[in-house]
Amino acid sequence: GENVEQHPSTLSVQEGDSAVIKCTYSDSASNYFPWYKQELGKGPQLIIDIRSNVGEKKDQRIAVTLNKTAKHFSLHITETQPEDSAVYFCAGTDGGTSYGKLTFGQGTILTVHP
Amino acid sequence: NAGVTQTPKFQVLKTGQSMTLQCAQDMNHEYMSWYRQDPGMGLRLIHYSVGAGITDQGEVPNGYNVSRSTTEDFPLRLLSAAPSQTSVYFCASSHRLAVSGANVLTFGAGSRLTVL
Repeated sequence: GENVEQHPSTLSVQEGDSAVIKCTYSDSASNYFPWYKQELGKGPQLIIDIRSNVGEKKDQRIAVTLNKTAKHFSLHITETQPEDSAVYFCAGTDGGTSYGKLTFGQGTILTVHP
Repeated sequence: NAGVTQTPKFQVLKTGQSMTLQCAQDMNHEYMSWYRQDPGMGLRLIHYSVGAGITDQGEVPNGYNVSRSTTEDFPLRLLSAAPSQTSVYFCASSHRLAVSGANVLTFGAGSRLTVL
């Protein structure tokens, strides 16, 4: 099955700086890569996703890039704000299954200091 | 819409006790799933269901049972709780892939379980 590794486990930045979180995956058949944000005391929520036929996708201050050859994808947050502080999870799809089972990375605790 | 509702939010059990975590969704999603979240280990899939009457095991199914008698409900049962089951449990639902094109999960707020 799929294995997803996520780094770093913690990331601390100053407000206004950029933050980058990286994930690698093992299953070359994976075709869908979402990113979820989990705020304190809440369930994770999808913030952006990318399919394997696209190299980059942007949504305002967040972007995701995918390198299929190297089997890694990254989340980029620009102009960080204190409200970006949360736990971020990447995920890969268990390729070839009709259910589209997701395998999550270990999570990154992002802290944005005012 | 309430989305995905989980109860209880907090629960303390003694080793060997049984209990059921409830999950209900009102979005008419076909898929439902249970994850556990442990520090440094991300979210791990316990069981999932692609429709009423159909369930399957995920990555860490041992010690847990599920059933799906209706589209809306997907309870998770712990038959004999163990300290290793101390965790935060999340229920999620999603549309089937043919509708959404991707497995976009809507999560509940979580249930924190402590087994003494």
